[in-house]
Amino acid sequence: SQELEQSPQSLIVQEGKNLTINCTSSKTLYGLYWYKQKYGEGLIFLMMLQKGGEEKSHEKITAKLDEKKQQSSLHITASQPSHAGIYLCGADRRAAGNKLTFGGGTRVLVKP
Amino acid sequence: GAVVSQHPSWVICKSGTSVKIECRSLDFQATTMFWYRQFPKQSLMLMATSNEGSKATYEQGVEKDKFLINHASLTLSTLTVTSAHPEDSSFYICSATRGLGTEAFFGQGTRLTVV
Repeated sequence: SQELEQSPQSLIVQEGKNLTINCTSSKTLYGLYWYKQKYGEGLIFLMMLQKGGEEKSHEKITAKLDEKKQQSSLHITASQPSHAGIYLCGADRRAAGNKLTFGGGTRVLVKP
Repeated sequence: GAVVSQHPSWVICKSGTSVKIECRSLDFQATTMFWYRQFPKQSLMLMATSNEGSKATYEQGVEKDKFLINHASLTLSTLTVTSAHPEDSSFYICSATRGLGTEAFFGQGTRLTVV
């Protein structure tokens, strides 16, 4: 079973609508990373969260980490076709190194 | 952001042959690099941690004699798939970091097809 649960597994949203992806861990995290991947390509770094209650935004994407550092959400406002792809959350459970455990991914499709 | 380059992007090889994949950090030194494997429509699975100047640390279930990792310099790690078989066909991707608690940057991945 996945150590990091990501939901939903897939998402179809109308262009201009908002969407939210969740990532949950049963254990406290040292760090939580969000990446975007297009099928068959590398991962594009989106955001890194390390502090409980932390929230970061970049353009139309906002990521939050809860106070217990066990749950994170990624929110996209007014989605565009360019937001389509696979979103992956990665958990760093240790202070040593950046060995990441990934969630199952969320496939996002934005309908024009 | 930092740039991690992976080469080749794709490779097709015959069963029984070996394939080497390179991972380079272009604009920073990476004492640690990571190798992941991704099957179609699945998430990334960590294979091993590549440490500069020392032996790699493999995850449980990953054959170290099958997947040879060498981290000869602070900017280069290589993964060699030895005696490749069709079941080794997959998407292999590496990552590198500047240091503890910093972002992990990923290469563009290598799609290996063994025929």
